[in-house]
Order: sequence, then structure tokens, then C-alpha cells
Amino acid sequence: ILNVEQSPQSLHVQEGDSTNFTCSFPSSNFYALHWYRWETAKSPEALFVMTLNGDEKKKGRISATLNTKEGYSYLYIKGSQPEDSATYLCALNDMRFGAGTRLTVKP
Amino acid sequence: EPEVTQTPSHQVTQMGQEVILRCVPISNHLYFYWYRQILGQKVEFLVSFYNNEISEKSEIFDDQFSVERPDGSNFTLKIRSTKLEDSAMYFCASRALDRQGTEAFFGQGTRLTVV
Repeated sequence: ILNVEQSPQSLHVQEGDSTNFTCSFPSSNFYALHWYRWETAKSPEALFVMTLNGDEKKKGRISATLNTKEGYSYLYIKGSQPEDSATYLCALNDMRFGAGTRLTVKP
Repeated sequence: EPEVTQTPSHQVTQMGQEVILRCVPISNHLYFYWYRQILGQKVEFLVSFYNNEISEKSEIFDDQFSVERPDGSNFTLKIRSTKLEDSAMYFCASRALDRQGTEAFFGQGTRLTVV
């Protein structure tokens, strides 16, 4: 069983702030890392799938980087908006999720 | 756009009763998953399914749970004798490929309430 850890557990930022959070994982046996966004009362929505060390992916104001050698991925949100408020989950390989980072963006 | 559908959206059941939660994955997908989220807690992996058999299951997925793909389209989760602590949102997900790292698509979930 591969343990995925996310930090911080929760984050409160003001509208317009940029923010980032971390997903850590054991670097052995890695082949893919997934980021998902999960809004309350909705189902998780895929943001990125990353497979290569050094990968950087971007979707609008959200981007992610991957370091498979040291076992971490960062998710960045530039200029946070209230609609970015959600739980951000990462999952490794076989779709086992971390506990998530709950982001609240205050207007 | 193809989507994963789950039924029912909400099920209330008596403790000790059997429940079957249904999922229709996206039609060309090969890998299927069940997760649950107890209110206020993190998403928990239950089981993954490929080629008509369980490929991996968590410690939560004990003998009370079973999964089946009875007809090539539905993917069901059965809880044989429900307990109060089984009350949770249950999410089904599917994806086309595994090791190549394709994204998974989730259903809207079934809220199970055991009374």
C-alpha cells in the first residue's frame, strides 16, 4: 500500500492571493500521479495526470509540478477566486487518494 | 459527453439489510473503482476492478462487501448486512487505461443512510 500525504490539511486565502499545496508520496513504484478537484456535493473532477519527473501541467490559473525522485507534487493556484474553493485531492498510481487539502477562498 | 452514472442518488436502509449500489461506467472504460466518504472525513478507496475481477481492495472492503459486473455495463457494489457505520457517500469511477495514467471519471455518488 502506497501512502499519499497532502499538506496542509486546510487553507484559507483571500481572493486574489496565489497559493500552493503539496502531495508527498513514496518515490518507489511510481508511474502516475493524479490531481482532482472536489467541490462539496459534486463528484471529483480530474485536473491533471502526471507521469514524468519534471512534468509541469497547466489549466487556466492552476498548475502542477512533479518530482518523482524526491516524491512530491505541488499544485499552484494563481489569483485565487471564491469558485476555487474545494478540496484538492492527489492520487497515486492505483487511484488511492490522499486526505486532500481543503481550500477556502474568501471574497 | 460520456459520464459515469450512479443509482440511486440516495438510499435509506435498515441496519442488517443488504443494499446494492449501481454504477454505469463509461462504455469503453476498462478499470472501475468504488470509494466512499463518511461525512466530514476523507475519501477512502474500497476496491478496484479489472477484467472481471478485483485487482486491489482496501482493508475496509471486508467480507460484507462484494462487487460485480453482471452484464457488461453495470458495476455494482453490494453490502450484505449494513451497519450504521456504512452510512457514507459512495462514489464509483472508471477509466480507460491504468498504467498510462489516464484520468478517472466519477459518478455523482450515492448517499447511503443506514438507520
